[in-house]
Amino acid sequence: AQSVSQHNHHVILSEAASLELGCNYSYGGTVNLFWYVQYPGQHLQLLLKYFSGDPLVKGIKGFEAEFIKSKFSFNLRKPSVQWSDTAEYFCAVLYSGGGADGLTFGKGTHLIIQP
Amino acid sequence: AAGVIQSPRHLIKEKRETATLKCYPIPRHDTVYWYQQGPGQDPQFLISFYEKMQSDKGSIPDRFSAQQFSDYHSELNMSSLELGDSALYFCASSLGRTSLNEQFFGPGTRLTVL
Repeated sequence: AQSVSQHNHHVILSEAASLELGCNYSYGGTVNLFWYVQYPGQHLQLLLKYFSGDPLVKGIKGFEAEFIKSKFSFNLRKPSVQWSDTAEYFCAVLYSGGGADGLTFGKGTHLIIQP
Repeated sequence: AAGVIQSPRHLIKEKRETATLKCYPIPRHDTVYWYQQGPGQDPQFLISFYEKMQSDKGSIPDRFSAQQFSDYHSELNMSSLELGDSALYFCASSLGRTSLNEQFFGPGTRLTVL
């Protein structure tokens, strides 16, 4: 079965620290990759996405992610986190893209930024 | 900007009861997706609709059914509720019949089955 694995379920960092959240997906042919963020009490919002082209994609709020095909990975990074980055982060994969297909999500990483 | 609206936001039901969750997509969006997120779990895709036709089907139990109406809103009908159905149910909408277009998520309906 297709699956998405996020290595860290809970991450605690201090402000200004660098962030990297791991995401690996199982092979399934053509994939399209997403990172979503869910701030406390809010709905899921798209941070960034990768379909093709430059494997380093930049998203909102200073986030970026790198697609490494050989490692089936799509890790999320941010050079310097802020307290407002405290949230749940979900990696998601679209295995088909031919129609209105559902996303396969990872279990999420709960990120806490300490002031 | 208008967002995806879900109602109700909270719902409490007894075992074996039925429930209906509603989703109103962003204006002009013609595609709707339903996801279920259990406590501490990742969102699981249930079903999607494009132009009132079912498009993709995920892990939706046979006790659940859904449809999309002519105004593009969607309803998820859940029967014979079980304790394990307690979860946050997200609806997302997008424009066009492809998941490559961004899915915009609603705030979710939190269903508690007692």
